[in-house]
Amino acid sequence: GAVVSQHPSWVICKSGTSVKIECRSLDFQATTMFWYRQFPKQSLMLMATSNEGSKATYEQGVEKDKFLINHASLTLSTLTVTSAHPEDSSFYICSATWTGYGNTIYFGEGSWLTVV
Amino acid sequence: DAKTTQPTSMDCAEGRAANLPCNHSTISGNEYVYWYRQIHSQGPQYIIHGLKNNETNEMASLIITEDRKSSTLILPHATLRDTAVYYCIAIGSNDYKLSFGAGTTVTVRA
Repeated sequence: GAVVSQHPSWVICKSGTSVKIECRSLDFQATTMFWYRQFPKQSLMLMATSNEGSKATYEQGVEKDKFLINHASLTLSTLTVTSAHPEDSSFYICSATWTGYGNTIYFGEGSWLTVV
Repeated sequence: DAKTTQPTSMDCAEGRAANLPCNHSTISGNEYVYWYRQIHSQGPQYIIHGLKNNETNEMASLIITEDRKSSTLILPHATLRDTAVYYCIAIGSNDYKLSFGAGTTVTVRA
């Protein structure tokens, strides 16, 4: 079946540095992908919509200059957390929609980011 | 998207069927009902979705009432590995932006 993959699964970075997380649709093309963030014991919160070939659209309260999103191809979206701070430590998850049968939305495995 | 309401938590016995209810009384005609689950420290896993008819796959069955105001996810033979948070989401056919509520924390006990 359709699969969405994220890399890395976990990453530790120093405060002030940038870190990139990749989201790939392995078996299908996705013109739109979504990025979510989840803090411990909380539900997923949508951060932004990644649009292939155009700018991402961000949810209210999400800083677009801090969370850079690039969707350069139909199978890859990247989220770059710039100038990371400890409060950016979270679980980041992407999703993509397979339009083969009934528009099934699949999620990646998630990426744990720890900023020290 | 229509608001969905789920119980906060439920326990079920290993090997028995687990019936997870979801209320979506304001669902509109073009909104599908999706079910996902999230096991600790993993991304959400797609389970099943439907519009009007009942659906079944290798993981679960989805029963949607005739008026579409509620649905039930059935895990036919719950195992310990089914312990997770289960999310019921109503979303339009061309809208892929999912809004997650608190879901139902399901604990399967031996």
